Amino acid sequence: DVKVTQSSRYLVKRTGEKVFLECVQDMDHENMFWYRQDPGLGLRLIYFSYDVKMKEKGDIPEGYSVSREKKERFSLILESASTNQTSMYLCASRLGTSGSTDTQYFGPGTRLTVL
Amino acid sequence: DQQVKQNSPSLSVQEGRISILNCDYTNSMFDYFLWYKKYPAEGPTFLISISSIKDKNEDGRFTVFLNKSAKHLSLHIVPSQPGDSAVYFCAASLNSGYALNFGKGTSLLVTP
Repeated sequence: DVKVTQSSRYLVKRTGEKVFLECVQDMDHENMFWYRQDPGLGLRLIYFSYDVKMKEKGDIPEGYSVSREKKERFSLILESASTNQTSMYLCASRLGTSGSTDTQYFGPGTRLTVL
Repeated sequence: DQQVKQNSPSLSVQEGRISILNCDYTNSMFDYFLWYKKYPAEGPTFLISISSIKDKNEDGRFTVFLNKSAKHLSLHIVPSQPGDSAVYFCAASLNSGYALNFGKGTSLLVTP
């Protein structure tokens, strides 16, 4: 079974803090993704990475950056947290070798609250 | 611009009956469709998928139907069980792309 883990289930930070959200997958997947989920808005893609050190902006990258130094780990960084970044953050991974038919597998999510 | 739409935010069904969740899409180039189920405070879990070359895929109590001419897909759950109560997300992708396009979700409540 694919396992995607996220470093924290719940996180509370203050406005202006730098926040790191970590995601690790154990199935040697090439592609990794960060989404945020907000009520009434569904899942929106922030950034994704199709390979080590490679990254692409998703639909809502503003205020975020990412890092992928190792294949199994994909980090989401909030350079200066703001209250409108309070959300559920979801990491996902996908094998990536056979195009879009690869399913994305999600981690349990991190509920981030910015005060 | 939302390319995948789930127009019903919520649905309530009695246990044992059929649940039908609907999804519409605007991009005719989408060629792979998935349904995810999400419980509160958990990540989405993959439920079932369908390729654009098919019009039906079945897995136990779950069946997905695809109508390409109408750009519409639906998820049928028969019979519905209280444990099926969750938010269901429809997603679509392009063979040339990496990311999934998600709908906003439909919250299903199955009552005893």
